[in-house]
Amino acid sequence: GAGVSQSPSNKVTEKGKDVELRCDPISGHTALYWYRQSLGQGLEFLIYFQGNSAPDKSGLPSDRFSAERTGGSVSTLTIQRTQQEDSAVYLCASSPASNEQFFGPGTRLTVL
Amino acid sequence: GEDVEQSLFLSVREGDSSVINCTYTDSSSTYLYWYKQEPGAGLQLLTYIFSNMDMKQDQRLTVLLNKKDKHLSLRIADTQTGDSAIYFCAETPLGGGNKLTFGTGTQLKVEL
Repeated sequence: GAGVSQSPSNKVTEKGKDVELRCDPISGHTALYWYRQSLGQGLEFLIYFQGNSAPDKSGLPSDRFSAERTGGSVSTLTIQRTQQEDSAVYLCASSPASNEQFFGPGTRLTVL
Repeated sequence: GEDVEQSLFLSVREGDSSVINCTYTDSSSTYLYWYKQEPGAGLQLLTYIFSNMDMKQDQRLTVLLNKKDKHLSLRIADTQTGDSAIYFCAETPLGGGNKLTFGTGTQLKVEL
């Protein structure tokens, strides 16, 4: 069956621009997670959705980062006024009502 | 906060066993996981163990958990070249909404 998909797979942007990253979870999965993987920080949790609400946003690094989820499905992670330190691979995962998280292939963001 | 540590690199010969180690600090961890990441790919869940278990075996994989020492290991029997990848351990804290805290990752290189 279809797994978690993310788009775009690669994004190159200029410092100061806004970017939107999209995640399509596995159909029926109620939980959705965003993580970031960078050379300096490893794999870090960003935000967690249960349905359309986000009970844990503790990993968002600054107020330039926001995320939403609509219809209990697609999620968008938005980074405003991008900085070079935002360069990373952004990973999305979804989960049914269990502890297993299924990861997408990620979006590689490069901020020039 | 939580801290999960792994050795950075492991090299083994094809056919030998590999043992990848992980230490964690959060004693409230409920589940502990092993993920595999191949170059350019997302994270693949290999196996997981509940914190009240000592051992779990799944085909060539054996997970050992020493809760007293907060030590987790993954043994891969009969290691193959296709096992070359980065392996991450991860844990979810009690009441943490299943968000994953990842280790630093161990790069496994399998030589002929």
